[in-house]
Amino acid sequence: AQSVTQLDSHVSVSEGTPVLLRCNYSSSYSPSLFWYVQHPNKGLQLLLKYTSAATLVKGINGFEAEFKKSETSFHLTKPSAHMSDAAEYFCVVWGVYSSASKIIFGSGTRLSIRP
Amino acid sequence: GAVVSQHPSWVICKSGTSVKIECRSLDFQATTMFWYRQFPKQSLMLMATSNEGSKATYEQGVEKDKFLINHASLTLSTLTVTSAHPEDSSFYICSASPPLAGLSDTQYFGPGTRLTVL
Repeated sequence: AQSVTQLDSHVSVSEGTPVLLRCNYSSSYSPSLFWYVQHPNKGLQLLLKYTSAATLVKGINGFEAEFKKSETSFHLTKPSAHMSDAAEYFCVVWGVYSSASKIIFGSGTRLSIRP
Repeated sequence: GAVVSQHPSWVICKSGTSVKIECRSLDFQATTMFWYRQFPKQSLMLMATSNEGSKATYEQGVEKDKFLINHASLTLSTLTVTSAHPEDSSFYICSASPPLAGLSDTQYFGPGTRLTVL
């Protein structure tokens, strides 16, 4: 079975400080993992994806994530937060289970940026 | 590139009526489209996978006869909420994957349709 857990429903950081959004997954097979961002009243935008290539994945807007199989984690980080990063972030796992592809969204983490 | 549109962006209807939502891939052909619903402050829940020229695959617990999906062309999928009731009020989002993308490729999301049933 597959599952994805976003450990924090809300993260608040000061502008210019690092961002860490945590995601743990469970999958019977080697999954593909994604991070999407959803700004208010806008569609979901892909930040980055892991598909069994390099374990450290760099995405747009300075975000990156590291796939750690031993920890079943795919945490999203950014060295320095910007006000425009305030949004909802979703960790997504996509894999094959029982001959069918399954896509599962995490519950989301709302990122707030303090001036 | 890879733009997905939805129409309408916002719809209000009376209980018992049907509402059709369109999802279009504007600059690529999509053999597979996905339909999600999102309740306020919650995550996206996959409702069904729409395959061009064949029947949609519904997730467990999703009523096929209530949420009719048609994927008539490589750029258009429609979701019809039949006999809508207030509990169907939600944010409906579609996504599309380009052909030959493989299971692990990216989905491109539409901006969503807010449905309110009175």
